[in-house]
Amino acid sequence: ELKVEQNPLFLSMQEGKNYTIYCNYSTTSDRLYWYRQDPGKSLESLFVLLSNGAVKQEGRLMASLDTKARLSTLHITAAVHDLSATYFCAVDIPGSARQLTFGSGTQLTVLP
Amino acid sequence: DGGITQSPKYLFRKEGQNVTLSCEQNLNHDAMYWYRQDPGQGLRLIYYSQIVNDFQKGDIAEGYSVSREKKESFPLTVTSAQKNPTAFYLCASRWGASNQPQHFGDGTRLSIL
Repeated sequence: ELKVEQNPLFLSMQEGKNYTIYCNYSTTSDRLYWYRQDPGKSLESLFVLLSNGAVKQEGRLMASLDTKARLSTLHITAAVHDLSATYFCAVDIPGSARQLTFGSGTQLTVLP
Repeated sequence: DGGITQSPKYLFRKEGQNVTLSCEQNLNHDAMYWYRQDPGQGLRLIYYSQIVNDFQKGDIAEGYSVSREKKESFPLTVTSAQKNPTAFYLCASRWGASNQPQHFGDGTRLSIL
């Protein structure tokens, strides 16, 4: 059974600071997705990582994938309040009818 | 605009009642999915469908049923056998075998009366 673990589960940070969210998974996969969810809202796709060493950046967020370590990171640079949300990673198992297994989410609060 | 429409936004269920959540997409996606999200938790897969007239159970299918009679539509019925139905339900879709991310609807929040 695939397990996807995120840490930390809760993160409070000051505006302007940097931090990293980690996503570990237990089974070989080379497809990993990051989503953002605002309170009471749906999920918005942020990044699609499809190979070992993949790196994607959008604004103050950068995601990377290390398939050998079964680890993805979401790095936040110079955080701003608008980044406050819950961030989920999800792993896609090839041959599994393209199901996604989600981590528990990291609830990020950026304080002024 | 293309997208996924879920309705209703809020739904209340009485004891012993079945309720149906609607999910419609006009993205021409082959695959559709239903997830359940409990407060402070990640998403858990209930059912998924890769093509019309075919669907498979996910991790928590007990107490739920689905149909896929049309490509655009994937309704979820929460039956009276689901003893703890209070949750946020999200529908998603994706191109059948692509690497593209799943697209999500806005969700339905179901509560017990």
